[in-house]
Amino acid sequence: GAGVSQSPSNKVTEKGKDVELRCDPISGHTALYWYRQSLGQGLEFLIYFQGNSAPDKSGLPSDRFSAERTGGSVSTLTIQRTQQEDSAVYLCASSLPGAPKSYYGYTFGSGTRLTVV
Amino acid sequence: GIQVEQSPPDLILQEGANSTLRCNFSDSVNNLQWFHQNPWGQLINLFYIPSGTKQNGRLSATTVATERYSLLYISSSQTTDSGVYFCAVGGSNYKLTFGKGTLLTVNP
Repeated sequence: GAGVSQSPSNKVTEKGKDVELRCDPISGHTALYWYRQSLGQGLEFLIYFQGNSAPDKSGLPSDRFSAERTGGSVSTLTIQRTQQEDSAVYLCASSLPGAPKSYYGYTFGSGTRLTVV
Repeated sequence: GIQVEQSPPDLILQEGANSTLRCNFSDSVNNLQWFHQNPWGQLINLFYIPSGTKQNGRLSATTVATERYSLLYISSSQTTDSGVYFCAVGGSNYKLTFGKGTLLTVNP
């Protein structure tokens, strides 16, 4: 597509429930990133996918968070047993892969606003 | 990890004024990007600029990598320029560390 598409745009869930957030990157962008934006923490890196390489999950805050990317395209971020501190805007970005030590600008989606009540 | 400091934290301008936003970082970087987050929350990439100078219309950016800072210039500001401007940097990998941003308000 023309841009990075995220769904749902808003999600309200009860504490303890599982949620799935979806990201559809720009066609041809093999690099995909998840970030989280919250009032107290600003923008935080969560996870990075590049092609068929093993993802970098070093930013995931707990083992309740997981992500996968199917067919090198669509990615799903899953949060199990949601807690109130998980409330935030979850942002997905994609970019061209770039050479080592050379990068391309990110294109961000509109985000999913998650509220845990 | 790399520390990113942006200044000023808040800026109020009258339409037509010019402004300079600054980003200081604590280590050498291979990746530096400027973003604008509009009042609806959409993050727009303005520049990928790990070094040198780029211009795009009324916006320009300069990064002096050896001195560990980057500047974003906004000329003839418009109300649509309002929002938060983020500087984000990365070192030897692809992860970006974001600054806390500069909140710009342009009044008509």
